[in-house]
Amino acid sequence: NAGVTQTPKFQVLKTGQSMTLQCAQDMNHEYMSWYRQDPGMGLRLIHYSVGAGITDQGEVPNGYNVSRSTTEDFPLRLLSAAPSQTSVYFCASTPVGLHYGYTFGSGTRLTVV
Amino acid sequence: DAKTTQPPSMDCAEGRAANLPCNHSTISGNEYVYWYRQIHSQGPQYIIHGLKNNETNEMASLIITEDRKSSTLILPHATLRDTAVYYCIAAGGTSYGKLTFGQGTILTVHP
Repeated sequence: NAGVTQTPKFQVLKTGQSMTLQCAQDMNHEYMSWYRQDPGMGLRLIHYSVGAGITDQGEVPNGYNVSRSTTEDFPLRLLSAAPSQTSVYFCASTPVGLHYGYTFGSGTRLTVV
Repeated sequence: DAKTTQPPSMDCAEGRAANLPCNHSTISGNEYVYWYRQIHSQGPQYIIHGLKNNETNEMASLIITEDRKSSTLILPHATLRDTAVYYCIAAGGTSYGKLTFGQGTILTVHP
């Protein structure tokens, strides 16, 4: 049982490049979310999903796309990286129906130069 | 989601109880109170949650006032490894699954 796995752990991008942050969970959780955390700040919700095929926007969705083709995976795509997207990105998952807490991944530290 | 208010920082001596307050005066009837903590730059860790009854697990206790406008997270015997940022979050109902993190409380446990 690996929990929530995020790859890569570190990434440096040039402005304008695109990339996909991977997130996978093996707990059969329906809910999955992406957050970003800027230095000295709390986490902000980017996108979330309540199940395969269903996604919705969070607080700061601009510049990011998501899809949920399977229960296990919830990738986050940066379309055209900007320095303002330099941040630590966390993926999280939780079961639906019962009020459990979210399980978070260890994060991806992204720097856009 | 109801807005929560926490003190920016608190100190605690190792071995003593750490009592972290949270104000959520606008909480609605179907919103739970969740507590998470973030150690250094790791991913947040779920601690405990409750609706209106006090709750206890192996990590902590959660005391919710009868009017549900505030709560206290209690770490009964704080250790140096409990030094972290602690977040209090109110969520539930239609916002279930969408956590809104504030600035949290930086708890520093001293030897």
